[in-house]
Amino acid sequence: AVQLVESGGGLVQPKESLKISCAASGFTFSNAAMYWVRQAPGKGLEWVARIRTKPNNYATYYADSVKGRFTISRDDSKSMVYLQMDNLKTEDTAMYYCSPTEEFAYWGQGTLVTVSS
Amino acid sequence: DVVMTQTPVSLSVSLGGQVSISCRSSQSLVHNNGNTYLSWYLQKPGQSPQLLIYKVSNRFSGISDRFSGSGSGTDFTLKISRVEPDDLGVYYCGQGTQYPLTFGSGTKLEIK
Repeated sequence: AVQLVESGGGLVQPKESLKISCAASGFTFSNAAMYWVRQAPGKGLEWVARIRTKPNNYATYYADSVKGRFTISRDDSKSMVYLQMDNLKTEDTAMYYCSPTEEFAYWGQGTLVTVSS
Repeated sequence: DVVMTQTPVSLSVSLGGQVSISCRSSQSLVHNNGNTYLSWYLQKPGQSPQLLIYKVSNRFSGISDRFSGSGSGTDFTLKISRVEPDDLGVYYCGQGTQYPLTFGSGTKLEIK
């Protein structure tokens, strides 16, 4: 069964950095594009980032709201995907989820990132 | 960006009843490859979202046939028949045709 375990969230101050991780299992990780989606408290869903596979040169894509501040990466040898978040803003406060399909067929439990002074 | 507009914002239904949720996109969701990437999700209270329907009308693995999706182009509908207590939560539509991927703002389903 597909399993996604996000981790690394926490409380940080504005302008600080944080790196969150997602451990994936139950599918051929190296063949799957990976995505991050977030949900601010009490709000809807927002796509954040995408990273493609090695044959696609690990191409990355970002929402305008995070472009230039967030970096998505992956380690196929460990079946891990990461989100490096720099220059964090209070509006980045959210639960962050990773998913292996464009349809977001699978979700983990998420990791909560709180940006507050 | 493709704007996804869901209606209604909330609705209340009796157990055993039927409901429909509408999702309209600001642009056609027909991809160059001919597929239409419109999905429906349910987020139950305190849980992560779960996929119900993908590519307009395909039920995801394990999803009851009480859930059905329809539509084309820019106009889509999710129907839930024989509503059960476990169906309560917030329903979202989402499009995967064009980047940035976008979602509707959600429809909260309450049980009378």
